[in-house]
Amino acid sequence: DADVTQTPRNRITKTGKRIMLECSQTKGHDRMYWYRQDPGLGLQLIYYSFDVKDINKGEISDGYSVSRQAQAKFSLSLESAIPNQTALYFCATSDAGTGINEQFFGPGTRLTVL
Amino acid sequence: AQSVSQHNHHVILSEAASLELGCNYSYGGTVNLFWYVQYPGQHLQLLLKYFSGDPLVKGIKGFEAEFIKSKFSFNLRKPSVQWSDTAEYFCAVTRKAAGNKLTFGGGTRVLVKP
Repeated sequence: DADVTQTPRNRITKTGKRIMLECSQTKGHDRMYWYRQDPGLGLQLIYYSFDVKDINKGEISDGYSVSRQAQAKFSLSLESAIPNQTALYFCATSDAGTGINEQFFGPGTRLTVL
Repeated sequence: AQSVSQHNHHVILSEAASLELGCNYSYGGTVNLFWYVQYPGQHLQLLLKYFSGDPLVKGIKGFEAEFIKSKFSFNLRKPSVQWSDTAEYFCAVTRKAAGNKLTFGGGTRVLVKP
């Protein structure tokens, strides 16, 4: 399903580097989310955005920032990457109109911080 | 304590065996419930969802789940698994009182031996 795309799909970087992960969607949804997945912890919410002018912190926002450049684009930045940010990152979208918050996920970005 | 609990972290079974994965949540009030599946190397896909009505929900690929409100549970079942059901399964809950944010359980890795 290519409705939610993420770039890059894999990235290896070094401690202290700035990294940006991109998410784009063609579903026309107003809500977008960034999660990280760690083994045994499921998915944890980093940031979410209900529309272009709305940004909210999730459970684990420290060390991350986001930008909602347009309804279809939501970027996640690591200003100074550290090894414990090594994880699988997922972007997701949902449609506020349903009132249900069923979310649709992108393919993920595997980030390794050395 | 995790608000959404999946009791088994790993399950190994043979083809044609029956599968039941437990999910319990600790919220009161109105909730919406989801099961997502993540096949190896792929993104999360929705298996099934419960919003209201019949507490026995049927999803894709022969999966079903039963919402038991008195037990705060939403267990996933499949009568006869196939090798292709090897995946990680995530239970997730949204509740209106928390702005409909999606909270995930820690996931259960299922390995089906041929």
